Amino acid sequence: NAGVTQTPKFRILKIGQSMTLQCTQDMNHNYMYWYRQDPGMGLKLIYYSVGAGITDKGEVPNGYNVSRSTTEDFPLRLELAAPSQTSVYFCASNGDSNQPQHFGDGTRLSIL
Amino acid sequence: AQSVTQLGSHVSVSEGALVLLRCNYSSSVPPYLFWYVQYPNQGLQLLLKYTTGATLVKGINGFEAEFKKSETSFHLTKPSAHMSDAAEYFCAVSDRGMYGGSQGNLIFGKGTKLSVKP
Repeated sequence: NAGVTQTPKFRILKIGQSMTLQCTQDMNHNYMYWYRQDPGMGLKLIYYSVGAGITDKGEVPNGYNVSRSTTEDFPLRLELAAPSQTSVYFCASNGDSNQPQHFGDGTRLSIL
Repeated sequence: AQSVTQLGSHVSVSEGALVLLRCNYSSSVPPYLFWYVQYPNQGLQLLLKYTTGATLVKGINGFEAEFKKSETSFHLTKPSAHMSDAAEYFCAVSDRGMYGGSQGNLIFGKGTKLSVKP
């Protein structure tokens, strides 16, 4: 029972590079979310999806893009990495919007 | 718009002492409220949730929280702290739609780090 799986766990990028953070869930959940966590700031919602083919911006979407071609996968893309995007990124999902969200273990991203 | 305020970024208690982590919320609709726990280098795990019904909610690991509408609070308590309770705790409110349906987006507080002294 894998739940929500995020890869990679750690990554160091140079300024201006691009990368994709992968998130997959095996619970057939419709709703998926991307958050970033910065020290002392809690979690901020970047993007979310209510089902395959449907995505929407959260509180802090600038500098990121997402896609949702399947129910299972919800990748987050950084096109031009900036030092301000150094953070821990969490993916989450739930099957119903009233249900608790299940979180992955996070991706720790440093941009130098 | 919904918001969450957690009072105290760090709380330290002795093992066996009462744990009290404070959370106040702001919401224009009846809220759905959650407490999550995060252990080092891990994701968030749900401790408990309040949606409707009984205002005293029991969660995992002996934690409970009471929804007090008049005080707009949802404080987390545990009668006796254990060393394994040391973690960061997040209170969250659901970004519910105006007509009662829940969008499902969570608004998180900034977190409270709990330390437990032997």
